[in-house]
Amino acid sequence: SYELTQPLSVSVALGQTARITCGGNNIGSKNVHWYQQKPGQAPVLVIYKDSNRPSGIPERFSGSNSGNTATLTISRAQAGDEADYYCRVWDSSTVFGGGTKLTVL
Amino acid sequence: EVQLVQSGAEVKKPGATVKISCKISGYTFTDFHMHWVQQAPGKGLEWMGLIDPEDGETIYAEKFQGRVTITADTSTDTAYMELSSLRSEDTAVYYCSTMGSGSSDYWGRGTLVTVSS
Repeated sequence: SYELTQPLSVSVALGQTARITCGGNNIGSKNVHWYQQKPGQAPVLVIYKDSNRPSGIPERFSGSNSGNTATLTISRAQAGDEADYYCRVWDSSTVFGGGTKLTVL
Repeated sequence: EVQLVQSGAEVKKPGATVKISCKISGYTFTDFHMHWVQQAPGKGLEWMGLIDPEDGETIYAEKFQGRVTITADTSTDTAYMELSSLRSEDTAVYYCSTMGSGSSDYWGRGTLVTVSS
């Protein structure tokens, strides 16, 4: 079965750029979606189809996908961006990455 | 406004079965597949399966195959997820969601299921 690999944690200084990766075999050929989840809340879609932002998501959130790695980039990181982030793809079934805890220092 | 309203928290004994509901409003029920996702305490998101409400076709994750049943009632715009042979590891929050390939990605607030003797 298809697997997605994310770093357990990423730290970023306030106002700097955070990059969260999602690795998978030839993931560049798939549509990757990214979620933000804060404690006690349901996940919220922040990027769909690799690089598209749903309405209401700040432009600071962007995505890319190529080769074996998809990346969620959060520019000018804010304290409110602290959360768990998950990538998701479809490969005959839905697959989630293990999640990355983003800490804003 | 799209809403997915899930049923309330449940406490079950090991070996029992739980059935959770997810009633939608604000969109046409048959427009999107309905997915179910498990999240154990302090753990990540685990996809359980989906149903196409239009024809009732289901796809289940290998991990839950044989224990999970997802159904949809188009007369009440409600999806259901039934999980049997419960064990302590099934203690989790269960979410319904319309997640797909676009921005029409809606989630319920989650239902906590506690499995304890």
